[in-house]
Amino acid sequence: EVQLLESGGGLVQPGGSLRLSCAASGFTFSNYAMSWVRQAPGKGLEWVSTISGSGGITFYAASVKGRFTISRDNSKNTLYLQMNSLRAEDTAIYSCAKGLTTEGSNFYYYMDVWGKGTTVTVSS
Amino acid sequence: DIQLTQSPSFLSASVGDRVTVTCRASQGISSFLAWYQQKPGKAPKLLIYAASTLHSGVPSRFSGSGSGTEFTLTISSLQPEDFATYYCQQLNSYPRTFGQGTRLEIK
Repeated sequence: EVQLLESGGGLVQPGGSLRLSCAASGFTFSNYAMSWVRQAPGKGLEWVSTISGSGGITFYAASVKGRFTISRDNSKNTLYLQMNSLRAEDTAIYSCAKGLTTEGSNFYYYMDVWGKGTTVTVSS
Repeated sequence: DIQLTQSPSFLSASVGDRVTVTCRASQGISSFLAWYQQKPGKAPKLLIYAASTLHSGVPSRFSGSGSGTEFTLTISSLQPEDFATYYCQQLNSYPRTFGQGTRLEIK
């Protein structure tokens, strides 16, 4: 069974930093793209970032580019999101999501399994 | 950025009803569209990808159609467990974008 478990959220002051982790199990982690998606309280879904299976290709939303860094450690089956210069508007539940298929398919970047998320609150 | 507009934003329906949710893209996205279902406090679930391909394990009462700029999600006969919020997402280009959501409630 595919499982994704996020951790690392918490309360941080504006301008602070956090590193989120997503521990993956039940599939060959390095074969799949991974993404981070967030949901602010009472709001809709917002895509944050995506990384390829090898880690060599990354994409970011404009709202986080230059502040957030996505990475992965395929030896540890773990996805990360380093968040710097945090703002109040970054307050949200952050979830990781697994790509639908292995590389080479048109469906590589679709997201088929999501974790339950970790809560990030940016407030003074 | 490609904007996705869902309609309606809120839908009230009864068990057994046939319902349709529309997602319109601000520019053509071929068939690079997914539909998700989210229940309160739960992670989203993939229902449809590539506009019309039913994801594994999703009941056949769900279907998707469309290409270019207009897409639909149809539930042929609503079941009690279908009352949730539905989102479309485009995967044609970056940044990936979602529709604002359609909240489906019991009438």
